[in-house]
Order: sequence, then C-alpha cells, then structure tokens
Amino acid sequence: AQSVTQPDIHITVSEGASLELRCNYSYGATPYLFWYVQSPGQGLQLLLKYFSGDTLVQGIKGFEAEFKRSQSSFNLRKPSVHWSDAAEYFCAVGATGQGFSFIFGKGTRLLVKP
Amino acid sequence: DVKVTQSSRYLVKRTGEKVFLECVQDMDHENMFWYRQDPGLGLRLIYFSYDVKMKEKGDIPEGYSVSREKKERFSLILESASTNQTSMYLCASSRLGFLSQHFGDGTRLSIL
Repeated sequence: AQSVTQPDIHITVSEGASLELRCNYSYGATPYLFWYVQSPGQGLQLLLKYFSGDTLVQGIKGFEAEFKRSQSSFNLRKPSVHWSDAAEYFCAVGATGQGFSFIFGKGTRLLVKP
Repeated sequence: DVKVTQSSRYLVKRTGEKVFLECVQDMDHENMFWYRQDPGLGLRLIYFSYDVKMKEKGDIPEGYSVSREKKERFSLILESASTNQTSMYLCASSRLGFLSQHFGDGTRLSIL
C-alpha cells in the first residue's frame, strides 16, 4: 500500500541555520511528490513538486527538494531559515494507475529560534 | 491567482444537526476535494469530485456526503453531526487530478 512517512514531528532550528525536513514514501512506481506548507490558521500552500526529470527541484520561498529513488526519499531543504518559515510542513505523494491516489504525511512542525 | 474560498472560518453546531460546509473556487478547475485535518493524523481525504454531479469517496467518507451542482462550488454535508466530527476541514481544487491542489483557509468546526 502507498504510504508517506515524515519521521520528525517537531524540528527546531536557529534563524540563519540550514534546514532539512525528511520525507520517505512507499510506492511501486515513481510517484508524484509534493511539499506543502501551512502557516497557523491558514490553508496549505504548495512549495514545490516533482513529476519527472531533474531530481533537484526548486520551489518558492527559497526551498528545494531532492528526489532520491534509491532511498525512496524526497527531503526538503533550505540553506538559511528565516523566522517566517515557522510553520507546519507536509509531504504528499500522488499516483495514477487504478484511479487517483493521494496521501499526505502527518506533518513536521518547524520552530525557529531567534 | 487561484482563490479557494470556504464560507466560514469557524463554525459551532450541535450533535444531530445537519451541517453544510461550502467551498467556491474561481479558476474553473474540474477537480475539487474535501479533507479533514486532525493533530497527529495529517490530512485525510473525505470526498473528491472530478466534474459537476460526479463524486468519489476518499479514505474516510463515513458520516459525510457531498454535492457539486455547479463547477465552482463543492459542498460537504454532515448528515447528523457527531462530536467526533469536530475538526479542521480543508477544501482544495485543481486542474489535473490531485496534482497541484490549491487550498482554502479551512473551516474549524466544533460539534457540541
């Protein structure tokens, strides 16, 4: 069965430090991969997506993610975190085949220390 | 810019009431979705619709129904609200299936 795992429930980083949020998926074929961000009291905003091609994907707000097929991972990175990046981040996996399938991870809450 | 609008940010209802959550999108998207979001569980798909009057069950459809009479509007209905349906409800729309969904700001529903 298709699944998405975000191993870290909470992560705390200092402002200006680098960030990596982990996402692992389980699916037989190459899925469509997404990262969304949710600020408090808001809906979800799409940061970036991977469908095919270059495995390093650039997104909005200075984020990037790298698809590693051998590790079934799609980790989100940012070289220097800003206080406004404090939010909850969701990895999601979509697939087509026998109909549509789309699953969100349970999220990682990012806290930013001044 | 795509706009997905949910009619209420906060809603308080009583057990047994019939509850309607409304969602409108302005980008002529074919696909619309309803999720609920609970702490520690992430987002779970309740129903989605790929065309007017069409609907498909998601992962947790029990206790809910939906209506899509017009392309821009997708309604979630709690037939007889129960306390375990207290949650944040998120609506989304997209042009291509589940890909690149655009989300509304959510409705925080409390069932007393």
